[in-house]
Amino acid sequence: AQSVAQPEDQVNVAEGNPLTVKCTYSVSGNPYLFWYVQYPNRGLQFLLKYITGDNLVKGSYGFEAEFNKSQTSFHLKKPSALVSDSALYFCAVRDVNTGFQKLVFGTGTRLLVSP
Amino acid sequence: DARVTQTPRHKVTEMGQEVTMRCQPILGHNTVFWYRQTMMQGLELLAYFRNRAPLDDSGMPKDRFSAEMPDATLATLKIQPSEPRDSAVYFCASGPKSDTQYFGPGTRLTVL
Repeated sequence: AQSVAQPEDQVNVAEGNPLTVKCTYSVSGNPYLFWYVQYPNRGLQFLLKYITGDNLVKGSYGFEAEFNKSQTSFHLKKPSALVSDSALYFCAVRDVNTGFQKLVFGTGTRLLVSP
Repeated sequence: DARVTQTPRHKVTEMGQEVTMRCQPILGHNTVFWYRQTMMQGLELLAYFRNRAPLDDSGMPKDRFSAEMPDATLATLKIQPSEPRDSAVYFCASGPKSDTQYFGPGTRLTVL
């Protein structure tokens, strides 16, 4: 069964510093990978996705993610963190071979950006 | 700016009562998902519809939960009877034929 793992419950970074939120995946077949963000008392918002092509995917709010097939990783990155980036971040995967559009979400990583 | 809407946003009820949550997907989206989010379990997929037909409800407790799409503009999730362990935030999401899902603001359910 397809799955994603987010090894860090929380990531702390100072404003202005680069940030990385880690995600590794396990699928049979080609992975479709996603990042979503959840602000307090809100639903999840789509950030970016990888389907095929360039290993570096650019998304909303200045975020990008790097797909690494050999390491089965899809880490979320941003060159310069903002306090407003503080939120809960979810990695998700869909196994294209299932034929469904169902996503399997990770457990989430809380990002805390300090001023 | 098209959005998924959910009602009610908050619901407090007593154990044993019926709860109905409603979702209006984005017009033109052909897939609808129901999720439940708790601190302990994280985000769980409860049910999934494509073109109003249920495709997967394996994540849903069948004895008390039911999900339907009476028409393309309305999806419902019912719990009868409700139990305290059902307390959670319930999200609806819709999607076009691509894989991206768009989430509603959620219904926060508290069962006393």
